[in-house]
Amino acid sequence: EAGVTQSPTHLIKTRGQQVTLRCSPISGHTSVYWYQQALGLGLQFLLWYDEGEERNRGNFPPRFSGRQFPNYSSELNVNALELEDSALYLCASSVDLLVRNYGYTFGSGTRLTVV
Amino acid sequence: KQEVTQIPAALSVPEGENLVLNCSFTDSAIYNLQWFRQDPGKGLTSLLLIQSSQREQTSGRLNASLDKSSGRSTLYIAASQPGDSATYLCAVRPDRGSTLGRLYFGRGTQLTVWP
Repeated sequence: EAGVTQSPTHLIKTRGQQVTLRCSPISGHTSVYWYQQALGLGLQFLLWYDEGEERNRGNFPPRFSGRQFPNYSSELNVNALELEDSALYLCASSVDLLVRNYGYTFGSGTRLTVV
Repeated sequence: KQEVTQIPAALSVPEGENLVLNCSFTDSAIYNLQWFRQDPGKGLTSLLLIQSSQREQTSGRLNASLDKSSGRSTLYIAASQPGDSATYLCAVRPDRGSTLGRLYFGRGTQLTVWP
């Protein structure tokens, strides 16, 4: 069974540019979550998508946005990049929220560097 | 607001030692608790998932316990090996309210096992 796949693995962008990160969940998983892990800051929750809708959002500015497609894959878009957006962006997936005995599976992440 | 604390922040031990990593959380209203491992620059690998109704879970040399009422979990690693060197993260999943669906992470314990 394929795990959670993220692309690209590494990315270098210039301040002010826009970037799109992609995530494909495990087959059968309907929920996708995005987290940011900046150096020294720990994992910060960004967004949660389920069945194509945004269910919850962390404390990030509106220039962080995303969407989930009918096949449950997801994109994270970041506009007007700032230097502090440099981080490892992790995607996770899980089955329906009501399935209590199921945890989260994470991808390997996208390393974004803003220069 | 849920807060997760992990102690110690770092641990350096010789190979063969039995280890205890601690995790505490402030709100006992959780669905489950999950322990992850993260190698430098990589994604998260799930180690153990404990449901709120369970007291412990075991996988190989790993054993995790959960005391929901006191807001504590312990990850026990038996007969540590250099390959166990990584950062270990504890995460809880709330079971109610607007935070439903997101994980709250501790800052992790950075473990180094030397030969």
